[in-house]
Amino acid sequence: GNSVTQMEGPVTLSEEAFLTINCTYTATGYPSLFWYVQYPGEGLQLLLKATKADDKGSNKGFEATYRKETTSFHLEKGSVQVSDSAVYFCALHPRGGYNKLIFGAGTRLAVHP
Amino acid sequence: EAGVAQSPRYKIIEKRQSVAFWCNPISGHATLYWYQQILGQGPKLLIQFQNNGVVDDSQLPKDRFSAERLKGVDSTLKIQPAKLEDSAVYLCASSLGGQVSSGANVLTFGAGSRLTVL
Repeated sequence: GNSVTQMEGPVTLSEEAFLTINCTYTATGYPSLFWYVQYPGEGLQLLLKATKADDKGSNKGFEATYRKETTSFHLEKGSVQVSDSAVYFCALHPRGGYNKLIFGAGTRLAVHP
Repeated sequence: EAGVAQSPRYKIIEKRQSVAFWCNPISGHATLYWYQQILGQGPKLLIQFQNNGVVDDSQLPKDRFSAERLKGVDSTLKIQPAKLEDSAVYLCASSLGGQVSSGANVLTFGAGSRLTVL
């Protein structure tokens, strides 16, 4: 079946630290991959996406590369800010048919000044 | 453009009572989704509408949950009777079409309706 596994949180960093949030997936075929972010009190927002192997999605200083060989889509940012504190969700859309986003459990990031 | 509107934002009920949530998607979005997000878990799709037809309700507990999308615009999700395990945030999302991997069909989520069942 299709599933997404994320590293458990919370992840606590100091401002300007390097961020990595690990995400691996299991899917039949080649899914599309997404990172969503949920700021406190708000809905989920699409952060970035990649639709095929070796694609790199990027947005707001965050980036993630679709790695078919390791079935991974790790989220990285070179220098985090306090405003990046949120919950980050990795998700996949199985290839074909009507979309059905399958989410990981989410990783909470807390950035301190 | 206006976002996805949901109400109420918060609801507290006793078990066995009923509750209804309302969603108004982005204008022109044909596809509407209801997700359930239990604390500490990722969102899980409950039901997906394409216009006013259901295309996926495989994970909807149909003995107690129901949803409709009249005229292919607004939608309501109802729970009757509620159980303790229904405590969650109910997220509504919409997209232009049904293929989420297309750049034009990215899901836009509402802020959610938080349900607490006592």
